[in-house]
Amino acid sequence: LAKTTQPISMDSYEGQEVNITCSHNNIATNDYITWYQQFPSQGPRFIIQGYKTKVTNEVASLFIPADRKSSTLSLPRVSLSDTAVYYCLVGMGSNTGKLIFGQGTTLQVKP
Amino acid sequence: DAGVTQSPTHLIKTRGQQVTLRCSPKSGHDTVSWYQQALGQGPQFIFQYYEEEERQRGNFPDRFSGHQFPNYSSELNVNALLLGDSALYLCASSLWWTNEKLFFGSGTQLSVL
Repeated sequence: LAKTTQPISMDSYEGQEVNITCSHNNIATNDYITWYQQFPSQGPRFIIQGYKTKVTNEVASLFIPADRKSSTLSLPRVSLSDTAVYYCLVGMGSNTGKLIFGQGTTLQVKP
Repeated sequence: DAGVTQSPTHLIKTRGQQVTLRCSPKSGHDTVSWYQQALGQGPQFIFQYYEEEERQRGNFPDRFSGHQFPNYSSELNVNALLLGDSALYLCASSLWWTNEKLFFGSGTQLSVL
């Protein structure tokens, strides 16, 4: 399973756009890229998933370049409630359950 | 439609004891995975159950064992507890043979004294 590297922490202010980049140089052909959000003492919550190019949903966008060796999670106009840890993961198929979490990126949104 | 439910929410044990944690998957899901999350770390995969069999296992000792029941619910058992077993234990459910995302429960906070 591909290993991911992302910044340990990031700070932002309310109303700003936040971009968190994740590198996954060894991503396999059939791997998807998935981002989860986790608040303290809660389980991770799915944010977005993609395979290539751009994916957008009601809470975020995911940008994946053609070589798929990195991806960028974009959170538009963050609020204080977006303060959380964000994890980037790769790997899918019958291995869905065996996700490899790194340390994640702790996003602190300030007023 | 209930999501993933775990019980108990908190548990305190002493070294050497045994513990059983329980998980009910999201309605319609047939696969359960267990994760251990130490404070300040990302979740670490323990094992995965499908059709009442352990399908994949992470790097955890045999003290960690599990079971899946015909109704897809699952248990995680830990024997001979160590202080280092103190962690948040997360259950996640999914559908086998799909690319569907994992749904996580809120976890069981285990403290070993």
